[in-house]
This record gives sequence, C-alpha cells and structure tokens, in this order.
Amino acid sequence: NAGVTQTPKFQVLKTGQSMTLQCAQDMNHEYMSWYRQDPGMGLRLIHYSVGAGITDQGEVPNGYNVSRSTTEDFPLRLLSAAPSQTSVYFCASSRGRADNEQFFGPGTRLTVL
Amino acid sequence: GENVEQHPSTLSVQEGDSAVIKCTYSDSASNYFPWYKQELGKGPQLIIDIRSNVGEKKDQRIAVTLNKTAKHFSLHITETQPEDSAVYFCAASFDSWGKLQFGAGTQVVVTP
Repeated sequence: NAGVTQTPKFQVLKTGQSMTLQCAQDMNHEYMSWYRQDPGMGLRLIHYSVGAGITDQGEVPNGYNVSRSTTEDFPLRLLSAAPSQTSVYFCASSRGRADNEQFFGPGTRLTVL
Repeated sequence: GENVEQHPSTLSVQEGDSAVIKCTYSDSASNYFPWYKQELGKGPQLIIDIRSNVGEKKDQRIAVTLNKTAKHFSLHITETQPEDSAVYFCAASFDSWGKLQFGAGTQVVVTP
C-alpha cells in the first residue's frame, strides 16, 4: 500500500492563478480531509468528506473547493490564489466510524506570490 | 466549536530525561484524544490516542493521561532519545467520524 499520496510536493503560484492539489489513498478509507499548517497555528481543517459524493466545510473553507467522485481521490482546488493561502497542505484519511486513526500524506508546500 | 490549547510551544530536554506536554479542551462532548508526531518535512503520524472512558494509556516510553473533569490531557515521554526530537500535536474530537481540532504544537528538542 502506498498509503496517502499527494502531488505536487512544492508549488509556486502568482496571485489570481488557480490550481488543484491532488490527494489519493489506497486503503479504501471512507473519511478524507484537507488541512493547512501554518507556523504557531497547528493544523486547521479546510474541508472533509465522509464518502464519495459527500463533502462538508471545516474551520477555514474560504477560497477552497473540493469534490469526492471516488473513494480514492479527494482533490483540493484553489480558484484564485491569494498570498494568505501560502501554507503547507496535508491530506489525511481514516476508516471513519470504524477507526478514527488518521493517516497523513507527505504534504504540499504552496507559495503564493 | 472545540478549542484546544497546547503548552509549552517549545521544550528542550536532556537525553534520558522525561518530557511532558499538556493540552486543554473546551467541549465536554469531546471523546477522542490523539497525539501526533511530526518529523521535519513529513506528515504527522499518530503515536498514541485515548478515549474518554479511559484515564491513562501507555505504549512503551510514551503515555497519555486524561482528566475529563478538568478537561485536560497530557503526553509523557520517558527516557527521551534524540529520535524523539520532533513537533508533537494534541487533538480532540467529538465527532463520530473523528473530525479533529488540533493544538498549536510543541517543538521538542532532545540534546545528547
């Protein structure tokens, strides 16, 4: 099992550009989520999904969109990047109600100029 | 919503000494409390967790204690080693899916 994979590892964008951060898991996990990590603020939940076709907002959803068309994939879209979105982004998955342990991907470091 | 506070923000210990990190939470409905370790350049990894029906849990050199009345929980690392150097995060969840609220993190440095 590859676990949770994220691409790209690094990305630099200009203000106003759009992009998609990819996340995939091969553990057949129901629950997937996106966090951003900023210095001194821990990890903050952006969006999450409890299954294919079901998504919901977390603590900091503004400026981000998600969709979940398959169990395996959970992409995060930045429609119009802003410098405030400079951060490290982590995707995570878990079995959900059966087991809450969340498995994290390696992260994507995003810089918006 | 849930709010989790974590202290200290940095912790420097001599190899072989113990390290203690403390967290408090606000929502009395929270029932799941995991601890994650994050090494440089990597994603967080679960090291131990505890549920609200348990007061203490141990796994080799690490232990977690939970005081539901005071709404705080702590991570204890004994006989620290250089490989324990990392950032540690506490978290709390009241959601059956395990949706987490994280603390701000503690940078632990173990010096030989």
